[in-house]
Amino acid sequence: NAGVTQTPKFRVLKTGQSMTLLCAQDMNHEYMYWYRQDPGMGLRLIHYSVGEGTTAKGEVPDGYNVSRLKKQNFLLGLESAAPSQTSVYFCATQTGEAYNEQFFGPGTRLTVL
Amino acid sequence: GQNIDQPTEMTATEGAIVQINCTYQTSGFNGLFWYQQHAGEAPTFLSYNVLDGLEEKGRFSSFLSRSKGYSYLLLKELQMKDSASYLCAVRDKDYQLIWGAGTKLIIKP
Repeated sequence: NAGVTQTPKFRVLKTGQSMTLLCAQDMNHEYMYWYRQDPGMGLRLIHYSVGEGTTAKGEVPDGYNVSRLKKQNFLLGLESAAPSQTSVYFCATQTGEAYNEQFFGPGTRLTVL
Repeated sequence: GQNIDQPTEMTATEGAIVQINCTYQTSGFNGLFWYQQHAGEAPTFLSYNVLDGLEEKGRFSSFLSRSKGYSYLLLKELQMKDSASYLCAVRDKDYQLIWGAGTKLIIKP
């Protein structure tokens, strides 16, 4: 089992370009999350999904969009990238129970010039 | 607002014991998690506390006091591979995880 995978691992964009980050899981988890991690700060939630076809905003949703058309995939889109979006992006999954931990993908390191 | 505080960095010696503290102020409480994150890698789950007291898992233990908004992670018999960042996270009333900035632990021989 692959667990949680993210594509791509690294990407460099120019300001104004768009891109989509893909998160895929084979754990059959209902909940999926997109976080960003910046130096000196905790993980910050961008968007999340509690099931196929659902999405919701997290703490820092501006500039990002998401879709969950299939249970196993959660896509994060940047429509017009800005240097402030330079970060490491992590996808995480979780079963529906509140006491369960989140499982993280390996991360995508994005640089916006 | 919601806030989780941890020391930024700690240094310890191989074979010793270290305690990493975490204090929190959140909207509600539905459990506290500790994760380990090696440089350049994803966080991985270490422990979960929802009731007051100590949870032990091998060399790692985690303690929670809900009345004090306080937790600590205790690492015994430190090994070089324990050099990593340790993240404290609290599940709030909406069942979202609020994350601390992490404590970078440096182990010296």
